[in-house]
Formats: sequence, C-alpha cells, structure tokens
Amino acid sequence: QKEVEQNSGPLSVPEGAIASLNCTYSDRGSQSFFWYRQYSGKSPELIMFIYSNGDKEDGRFTAQLNKASQYVSLLIRDSQPSDSATYLCAVNMFDPGTYKYIFGTGTRLKVLA
Amino acid sequence: GAVVSQHPSRVICKSGTSVKIECRSLDFQATTMFWYRQFPKQSLMLMATSNEGSKATYEQGVEKDKFLINHASLTLSTLTVTSAHPEDSSFYICSTAQIQGARTEAFFGQGTRLTVV
Repeated sequence: QKEVEQNSGPLSVPEGAIASLNCTYSDRGSQSFFWYRQYSGKSPELIMFIYSNGDKEDGRFTAQLNKASQYVSLLIRDSQPSDSATYLCAVNMFDPGTYKYIFGTGTRLKVLA
Repeated sequence: GAVVSQHPSRVICKSGTSVKIECRSLDFQATTMFWYRQFPKQSLMLMATSNEGSKATYEQGVEKDKFLINHASLTLSTLTVTSAHPEDSSFYICSTAQIQGARTEAFFGQGTRLTVV
C-alpha cells in the first residue's frame, strides 16, 4: 500500500511566525511532490511543487525535499491569519500503467492573530 | 494552469435516486481524469482513474457498479452515483492532469457537495 503521511494537527502558530509542515511517503520511486492548500468546503489549490532534492522558494513559501529520507516539507514564513487552512501533501506515484496522485491526510494550520 | 469546471457544486437527493456529476476540462484535452471523494476532516481518497475512450480503473474498495464513470470525450468525464444512500454523502472532486510522466500537475474542479437524505 503506497502511503503519504502527515500530522493532522491542528498546528497553531502566532501571526508572523514560521509554520513548518511535514510529509513522509512510502514509495521510494516517487519523483514529484506537491503542496496544496484547501479551505473548508473548497477544492485544493496548488501552492508549490518540487522535483529535486533541496529547497525551492516561492515568495513566503519554501518546499524542502529529501528523497533519501522520503520526506518533504513546506515552510510558510511571516504566517498570516489568511494562511489558516488545511495543507495537503501529494505525491505523484507510478502505478502500473499510469501516474496517480496520492494525498496525505492533511495538516490543519491555524495562524493566530 | 488548466481550467476544470465541475457541476453541480451542491446537490441534495433522496435515498435510492441517482446523481450525475460532470467534470469538464475547458482549455486542454484531458485524456485522464481522476475522481476523488473527501469525507469531513479527511483527505482526498482516489476513487477511480478515468481514461478517455476506455473503461475507468477503480481503486480497491470502490464499487464500480455504484459509481459509474464515463469519459466519452477529451473534455468531459461524468461520475454517476447510483442508488445513493446517506453514507454516500460526501465532497466529490474531479481533477485533470497534464501528463508529463512523473512531472504531472493536477488541476481540480470546484467539487460537488452531495447530501443524500
């Protein structure tokens, strides 16, 4: 069973702090990794994707990937109350014949004003 | 990114009836679409992978006779929940993917909130 694991939270951080969200995955052959944000009752929206080991920065967001440890994380700097949402880690895994998106359970983030 | 339109956004139906959900890819030809279900406070669970012109591939535990998927064109896939029951009440989301091998980005529809009473 191919899995993606996340701490469900909630993770509470004060406004302006750094929020750190973590994700581990079981399929060592996975090559692409995505972070989505989902507000209650809405569809997920893509924040970042990362394919290579190391860090990738986009504005206040930094994704970190360590394939050896099968670990991907998302850092949110200068957290704002509007960042309060559920953050889903997704891993694109190859199943015979096709690629599939497998999602983690999501981490609920609360940014306290 | 691609635009995916999903309808209806919200539907309430009586137990035993069927409900059809449409997922349209508006600006590119989607050979593959994915259907997810999400229960409250849970993650998206992949139900099936829909390939244009062929039968859908269902995930383990998903009843293919209950969740009928049709992907007759490159821009439209439908999910029909047959003989719906209250336990089928959930948030259903479709997505298309621009397949580039491992580097595939998914684009999601707006989701359909199904309530079976």
